[in-house]
Amino acid sequence: EIVMTQSPATLSVSPGERATLSCRASQSVSGDLAWYQQKPGQAPRLLIYGASTRATGIPARFSGSGSGTEFTLTISSLQSEDFAVYYCQQYDNWPLTFGGGTKVEIK
Amino acid sequence: EVQLVESGGGVVQPGGSLRLSCETSGFSFGTYTISWVRQGPGKGPEWISLISSIGGTTYYADSVKGRFTMSRDNGKNSLSLQMNNLRTDDTALYYCARGHGDIYPNSRFFDYWGQGILVTVSS
Repeated sequence: EIVMTQSPATLSVSPGERATLSCRASQSVSGDLAWYQQKPGQAPRLLIYGASTRATGIPARFSGSGSGTEFTLTISSLQSEDFAVYYCQQYDNWPLTFGGGTKVEIK
Repeated sequence: EVQLVESGGGVVQPGGSLRLSCETSGFSFGTYTISWVRQGPGKGPEWISLISSIGGTTYYADSVKGRFTMSRDNGKNSLSLQMNNLRTDDTALYYCARGHGDIYPNSRFFDYWGQGILVTVSS
């Protein structure tokens, strides 16, 4: 099973600042990596797939990069609605696996 | 509007069974893979099963293999998850989630999710 490790567990950021979230895979997943955002009481929402492709309707301030085992989600200028938990998911191998999440909170 | 609505959750004793359903609308159901993803209290999501668009192929996580069975009815735009021999660590919010297509790799990540249904396994 591919283990996905996200860091940091919690990220404190002021509105308008940049946030950089990391996701590491225990073995290469090529570019088969998705990012999700989850707010309390809601289902996860797809942000990024293919490591860098924004899903429909996702603002341009969200960007993804990386390949192989190292991936990054960047939020260029945090808005109030962006404070949430973010998960990465690999879909290169079975079983499909998620990271433990990074909580982005208001500083 | 794409919608997925789960039902059938509840409280069950260890060793018991439960059947979850997912009713869908707003898209061509028979051309998408669907997965079940669960999320335990305070935990990240855990993928547990996937069914191909025509139902001929299923995949399961080791944690549920042999105990859970996923099926679909394309005529009714719905699917189900039969859960047997439930354990306390199956306690979670269960989501049905649509794959982003029917073909690898797009079928293996999820663009629409239901609101989730709670399953509690407790004596």
